[in-house]
Amino acid sequence: DGGITQSPKYLFRKEGQNVTLSCEQNLNHDAMYWYRQDPGQGLRLIYYSQIVNDFQKGDIAEGYSVSREKKESFPLTVTSAQKNPTAFYLCASSRQPINTGELFFGEGSRLTVL
Amino acid sequence: GESVGLHLPTLSVQEGDNSIINCAYSNSASDYFIWYKQESGKGPQFIIDIRSNMDKRQGQRVTVLLNKTVKHLSLQIAATQPGDSAVYFCAEAGGSARQLTFGSGTQLTVLP
Repeated sequence: DGGITQSPKYLFRKEGQNVTLSCEQNLNHDAMYWYRQDPGQGLRLIYYSQIVNDFQKGDIAEGYSVSREKKESFPLTVTSAQKNPTAFYLCASSRQPINTGELFFGEGSRLTVL
Repeated sequence: GESVGLHLPTLSVQEGDNSIINCAYSNSASDYFIWYKQESGKGPQFIIDIRSNMDKRQGQRVTVLLNKTVKHLSLQIAATQPGDSAVYFCAEAGGSARQLTFGSGTQLTVLP
């Protein structure tokens, strides 16, 4: 089945450690996105990529990094510079441009910093 | 320490009643709008979308209304069911934007 796969679903990290969240899509979508969701809040954009080997910062990129070496993959690294990394992370993809169709989401990865 | 989250707006309705969830947007250039449903611990799911050249669009049990004059969007759910309990988000895009901007969401609770 076509869709977006995020892993791991749950992740625990010690303070000072980097962690990488995986996102893979088989929808042949050009654009991919990472959002952060905190309890009781909406989605905030971290990074997005419209094409392979290119990506742009979103509203809250500080402390995060991404890569887009393949069309189907858009991993997110939460670095030790991110001051409050505990959150629910959502990956999404879409056809281009965004207003020709919907954004498809993965099931999310919940990161907890101990 | 952990930040304190804001409380989502909430809406409680009796099973079988109609629900109306509202959303205000700020960007006059937005020309595409989507409603998403998010169940606890899961990713958002597409419900319905509407373009700015329309003011109403209907789906199965759902209707989206767009009022561009006051920059207001609403989602109407007919005969609300327990499975409709979730957080509902509106999102907008337009102009040169290459991304969706999400609202803060509304928690819908369906009472038996």
